[in-house]
Amino acid sequence: DGGITQSPKYLFRKEGQNVTLSCEQNLNHDAMYWYRQDPGQGLRLIYYSQIVNDFQKGDIAEGYSVSREKKESFPLTVTSAQKNPTAFYLCASSIGGMDYNEQFFGPGTRLTVL
Amino acid sequence: SQQGEEDPQALSIQEGENATMNCSYKTSINNLQWYRQNSGRGLVHLILIRSNEREKHSGRLRVTLDTSKKSSSLLITASRAADTASYFCASPISGSARQLTFGSGTQLTVLP
Repeated sequence: DGGITQSPKYLFRKEGQNVTLSCEQNLNHDAMYWYRQDPGQGLRLIYYSQIVNDFQKGDIAEGYSVSREKKESFPLTVTSAQKNPTAFYLCASSIGGMDYNEQFFGPGTRLTVL
Repeated sequence: SQQGEEDPQALSIQEGENATMNCSYKTSINNLQWYRQNSGRGLVHLILIRSNEREKHSGRLRVTLDTSKKSSSLLITASRAADTASYFCASPISGSARQLTFGSGTQLTVLP
């Protein structure tokens, strides 16, 4: 099965802790993305990566960090500097090198700060 | 910053009726995409329409694009209870073919 997976599905964090959300894809896609979604809202871009070992900040990168050491993996770390991290986090990927790129999404991770 | 905005924010219809959702955007685009999200799940791509297309069909879906008005519409015909979901339009950020900006979505409820 080709697809994009995220783990865990639910994550609870105490204030002051860093947590890492996993995102893996076996679609051989070059580009990967992290979005944040708050209740009743659209998606806001946190970080994106066009190729391995390269990533760019999105609209709301503060308090988050990423790495792209492998093509298939794009983990997101929510640091203690993120003041309001409770949200639904979505990872996506798309084929690189084309003008029109649909994005394929994972099932999401719901993060709750206790 | 969000480029696309959907209208209405929420829509409730009876099974068998048609559902129409609208999207407006601000800058010039080369394509516009529509996605669906079931509650608590990831988004699923529905359809992409290029800037040189005015209308596109996929099954019960019909999408139109009016670049002069910077607007698009998604029509779902003969709706079913399983169509209940949030629907988002997405368009490329100026200068980037791969980055998309998403609207705030239309929550569609289809009553059996």
